[in-house]
Amino acid sequence: DIQMTQSPSSLSASVGDRVTITCRASQSISSYLNWYQQKPGKAPKLLIYAASSLQSGVPSRFSGSESGTDFTLTISSLQPEDFATYYCQQSSGIPYTFGQGTKLEI
Amino acid sequence: QVQLQESGPGLVKPSETLSLTCTVSGGSITSYYWSWIRQAPGKGLEWIGFIYFSGKTSYNPSLKSRVTISVDTSKNQISLQLTSVTAADTAVYYCARQAPERALEYWGQGTLVTVSS
Repeated sequence: DIQMTQSPSSLSASVGDRVTITCRASQSISSYLNWYQQKPGKAPKLLIYAASSLQSGVPSRFSGSESGTDFTLTISSLQPEDFATYYCQQSSGIPYTFGQGTKLEI
Repeated sequence: QVQLQESGPGLVKPSETLSLTCTVSGGSITSYYWSWIRQAPGKGLEWIGFIYFSGKTSYNPSLKSRVTISVDTSKNQISLQLTSVTAADTAVYYCARQAPERALEYWGQGTLVTVSS
């Protein structure tokens, strides 16, 4: 299986902060990396697909980038509604695997 | 707008079979891959497997011996069966539509299945 190592596991930040979450794949996954946001009691929501493409309807303060097997989700200016848990997911190899999640707290 | 709705028993006894259905509305099942994902209470996400509308499947090797995913295009439904369940299978189960870029773009609200006698 392709292991996805996500960091940090938790993060405290304030409204207006710039935040970066990283995900490292255990092997090459090309750009088959997706980012999701999950709020308590809700299903995950797709934010970024193919490493850097913004899903329709997602605010432009969210962005993704890649460098080899390292992937980054950046939120440029945190808004109150952004406090949630974020997951990366690789869809290069079977089984699809997720990072362990990053809980973003105030 | 595509909507997915999971349904099925919320309580299953150990050693029995978990059966769930995902009903798709607002769009056709055809030409897409459909995944099942689960999340144990307080834990992360685990991909179970997917099915193409044609019936082609792929499963997580960790569950492959116990999982069957099927599709009924006439009813716009995808089904999940997981046999010989234990308490470790207690989770919220989600169905999701896979975009051409392989991201999970539409999700159901999820359904909690508890395995307990």
